[in-house]
Amino acid sequence: AQSVTQLDSHVSVSEGTPVLLRCNYSSSYSPSLFWYVQHPNKGLQLLLKYTSAATLVKGINGFEAEFKKSETSFHLTKPSAHMSDAAEYFCVVGAYGQNFVFGPGTRLSVLP
Amino acid sequence: DVKVTQSSRYLVKRTGEKVFLECVQDMDHENMFWYRQDPGLGLRLIYFSYDVKMKEKGDIPEGYSVSREKKERFSLILESASTNQTSMYLCASSLGWDGDSNQPQHFGDGTRLSIL
Repeated sequence: AQSVTQLDSHVSVSEGTPVLLRCNYSSSYSPSLFWYVQHPNKGLQLLLKYTSAATLVKGINGFEAEFKKSETSFHLTKPSAHMSDAAEYFCVVGAYGQNFVFGPGTRLSVLP
Repeated sequence: DVKVTQSSRYLVKRTGEKVFLECVQDMDHENMFWYRQDPGLGLRLIYFSYDVKMKEKGDIPEGYSVSREKKERFSLILESASTNQTSMYLCASSLGWDGDSNQPQHFGDGTRLSIL
């Protein structure tokens, strides 16, 4: 079985400060991990994915995530938040022969 | 760029009605998915299809059915709509169907369905 925990339902940062969105997963398999972003009234857009290559994954819009197997974590970071980053972020786990499992989401607010 | 188009952005129906949600993708993907999205619950898989006329139940199929007569089109059907089916519905398509396929899912913009 697989599950995803996003530790914060809401994160608020000031523009120009770092962003950290936390994700922990549980999987009986060798997982694939993804981060998606959803802007208001839009579908989900892929930010980045981990599929057992490099543990530090770079995505679009300056985001990156680090896979830490020992901590079963896949936290999303960005050095400097921009107003346009305000959105909902979903961590997703998948594995061979298994459907994707989505976390509950973290809403990111960026204050001017 | 992959485009997934959902026919309606907003829909209001009455309890007991039969409701059709339509989704079309333009990238010749074998796999298509229907999710519902509710606050605090993330996305939950209703049904997916890995080929024309083929379908598999997801985590919450009760009260729903699907139809895939053509590769590019995947329909979600609420046989007899109920108020607890008020939700945001998202369609997605992908080259792979599972989490190890190294192929991400591409999503439509969603249909916000209200059942009165």
